[in-house]
Amino acid sequence: QKEVEQNSGPLSVPEGAIASLNCTYSDRVSQSFFWYRQYSGKSPELIMSIYSNGDKEDGRFTAQLNKASQYVSLLIRDSQPSDSATYLCAVNALNNNAGNMLTFGGGTRLMVKP
Amino acid sequence: EAQVTQNPRYLITVTGKKLTVTCSQNMNHEYMSWYRQDPGLGLRQIYYSMNVEVTDKGDVPEGYKVSRKEKRNFPLILESPSPNQTSLYFCASSFGRSYEQYFGPGTRLTVT
Repeated sequence: QKEVEQNSGPLSVPEGAIASLNCTYSDRVSQSFFWYRQYSGKSPELIMSIYSNGDKEDGRFTAQLNKASQYVSLLIRDSQPSDSATYLCAVNALNNNAGNMLTFGGGTRLMVKP
Repeated sequence: EAQVTQNPRYLITVTGKKLTVTCSQNMNHEYMSWYRQDPGLGLRQIYYSMNVEVTDKGDVPEGYKVSRKEKRNFPLILESPSPNQTSLYFCASSFGRSYEQYFGPGTRLTVT
């Protein structure tokens, strides 16, 4: 089992809809959770961080964390075509080879159709 | 402006010709890391460095070398590049290995 798992997609939503991206992780003691956005051929860009259970809102983005169920999600309200990108979930997880470190999921590709 | 820079951004080379990709950050970060990204395989860590003169292997270190002589710089060295090292490479830095990482713009390497 991978430490951080995401559905690779593509997730297709119409413009103006809510896009919901999910991520599960295996390390129960993870404390830090991040969402990155990556446009094709570009570098990952940090868009949200969350450290405690519940919701954290920033503009059109809401990160949701449920440590008991070991999942973190990203909601994008009023989705725009410019939101079309791959979204990477990153979790502070225990890596068998190297101890506690930031581990990335494989990413979910989001397509927002006009 | 706080940033991570990489050079070159694009490189086409031939098998066996040694090359270095430079990475520099101006945020006084202790932790630096190199990743490669290939279609369908996500980000895979090559090497990381916890601080000056402290480096360690990531998930895919074969064929690569790194050094960390100064806090701000973390070059990636390919002593004898091969076509399977054709990839998109990212350097990243952070305050520590479990903190959010900030990425450089990427280097697209093609080895023929």
